[in-house]
Amino acid sequence: RKEVEQDPGPFNVPEGATVAFNCTYSNSASQSFFWYRQDCRKEPKLLMSVYSSGNEDGRFTAQLNRASQYISLLIRDSKLSDSATYLCVVSPMNSGYSTLTFGKGTMLLVSP
Amino acid sequence: EPEVTQTPSHQVTQMGQEVILRCVPISNHLYFYWYRQILGQKVEFLVSFYNNEISEKSEIFDDQFSVERPDGSNFTLKIRSTKLEDSAMYFCASSDPGQVKNIQYFGAGTRLSVL
Repeated sequence: RKEVEQDPGPFNVPEGATVAFNCTYSNSASQSFFWYRQDCRKEPKLLMSVYSSGNEDGRFTAQLNRASQYISLLIRDSKLSDSATYLCVVSPMNSGYSTLTFGKGTMLLVSP
Repeated sequence: EPEVTQTPSHQVTQMGQEVILRCVPISNHLYFYWYRQILGQKVEFLVSFYNNEISEKSEIFDDQFSVERPDGSNFTLKIRSTKLEDSAMYFCASSDPGQVKNIQYFGAGTRLSVL
């Protein structure tokens, strides 16, 4: 059973488009939720943490539904530089140290 | 901006050889981790390290693997006898115990190629 499952992708969108990524997780004890982005053959970089009430950072909006064990990421007004793989990541701890469990990622390709 | 640094960026080795991958975590961080990513697959947790001992390890982290903090700045991953299937990108990460969320910062990775 996959612990963190994401849309398989890739998503091909034109510049300026709005795109949404979905993620589900199987461990109901998960406490921390994140979106990381990963450029080709590079390290994962934190895009944003996801809070229960939902949160926004510029063009990026993240939502969390604990009851459905579902996380989403919305990107508005896509830029060419948004092209990357978006990783849904969960952790059983809210602080201190803990393992991160990654989804396989959804690739986004933004074209001119 | 402080960052996690890893060396070498690419390591090529023969099957059966020992390799040591090196990491310098962010200086005020106390929790350290190793993850790996086989080409085309997801990032997988290997081991976490705190207070000079392993906190948690995955089933991937078998007897062939070991970690060490030999001094105040370096954190190493040793693979004793490499196998072809150990070929992957290995990422070191660190986190700050004072942070509210368990945010981990990743190094640029070491690409290990086992021939």
